[in-house]
Amino acid sequence: AQSVTQPDIHITVSEGASLELRCNYSYGATPYLFWYVQSPGQGLQLLLKYFSGDTLVQGIKGFEAEFKRSQSSFNLRKPSVHWSDAAEYFCAVANNFNKFYFGSGTKLNVKP
Amino acid sequence: NAGVTQTPKFRILKIGQSMTLQCTQDMNHNYMYWYRQDPGMGLKLIYYSVGAGITDKGEVPNGYNVSRSTTEDFPLRLELAAPSQTSVYFCASRTGRGASGNTIYFGEGSWLTVV
Repeated sequence: AQSVTQPDIHITVSEGASLELRCNYSYGATPYLFWYVQSPGQGLQLLLKYFSGDTLVQGIKGFEAEFKRSQSSFNLRKPSVHWSDAAEYFCAVANNFNKFYFGSGTKLNVKP
Repeated sequence: NAGVTQTPKFRILKIGQSMTLQCTQDMNHNYMYWYRQDPGMGLKLIYYSVGAGITDKGEVPNGYNVSRSTTEDFPLRLELAAPSQTSVYFCASRTGRGASGNTIYFGEGSWLTVV
């Protein structure tokens, strides 16, 4: 069965510092991977997705993620964090696209 | 620019009451989903639909029912509300067609409290 693990529940970084949010997945075949962001009281917004091809994918708001098959990981990165990036981030994996499985989320706090 | 619309946004139910969470999308999407989000638990799939007239169970379907009589609407029914159903509910949809067909679009959520 598919599963997604986000090992960090909370992360705090200083504004301007770099960010990496971890995501590990369990899936037998080639996964389809996503990162979503959720601001307080809002729904989820897609940041980026990986289906195939280049393992480094670019997303909105300056985010990128790298798919590493050998490590079953799809970590989200940003070179310089802005205060507006404070939110909760969810990694997700899909099988044949009928079902999407989400991780438990990582809450990002940004220190001024 | 309506997208996925959920109603109500907030609701308090008494144990044993029933209610329906409404979800409608105006993007002609084939696939629709209901998720619940509990603190620290991420999103769990309750039910999903691949088209009008077709629904299937997700990870946590017990205590819920759905129907999909039209492409646009995918209501979620709670028949006998229980405190364990206190959660935030998200409806979502995707087209399933074209290059962006596997991108899910979410509604803004419905906060349900059962007391």
